[in-house]
Amino acid sequence: DAGVTQSPTHLIKTRGQQVTLRCSPKSGHDTVSWYQQALGQGPQFIFQYYEEEERQRGNFPDRFSGHQFPNYSSELNVNALLLGDSALYLCASSLLGQTYEQYFGPGTRLTVT
Amino acid sequence: KQEVTQIPAALSVPEGENLVLNCSFTDSAIYNLQWFRQDPGKGLTSLLLIQSSQREQTSGRLNASLDKSSGRSTLYIAASQPGDSATYLCAVYTNTGFQKLVFGTGTRLLVSP
Repeated sequence: DAGVTQSPTHLIKTRGQQVTLRCSPKSGHDTVSWYQQALGQGPQFIFQYYEEEERQRGNFPDRFSGHQFPNYSSELNVNALLLGDSALYLCASSLLGQTYEQYFGPGTRLTVT
Repeated sequence: KQEVTQIPAALSVPEGENLVLNCSFTDSAIYNLQWFRQDPGKGLTSLLLIQSSQREQTSGRLNASLDKSSGRSTLYIAASQPGDSATYLCAVYTNTGFQKLVFGTGTRLLVSP
């Protein structure tokens, strides 16, 4: 049973560019959440997708957007990259309505230069 | 707004010691609480999930307790080993109808041989 997968593993971008990160949820899961973890900090909630719609959003600007596909996989897009966007981006999947438990992927390390 | 605090921020112990990591949260109206382990530069590994109706969970040398009324959880590690060296993160599921996690900033543990 495949767990949560994310791609790419690492990414280096320049300020002002745009980036797309991808996530495939654990088999059987229908909800995907994204978190940003800056160095030395705990992960911060970005947003959550269910049935291809954004259900809840954390305190992140509109430069951060997402999408969920019919197969439940998801993308996180960040426009106009800033140096402060450098972080580990974590994807978590879960099954809505079931025991509250999220399963995390290995993350994508984004470096903005 | 839910806030999660972890004490201590860092801990260094010799191999074999028993130790306790502390987690506190400001809003007792939570669903589940989850403890994670994170190795440097890596994703999150779930250690223990305590459901809202439970008071503790055990897995091997790990025991986690939850006291919702006081807003506290502890993670007890017995007979620590160098391989336990990592950052330990506590996170709570907010009682908002969404499966959103709020994380602490973690306790960085170093176990010396």
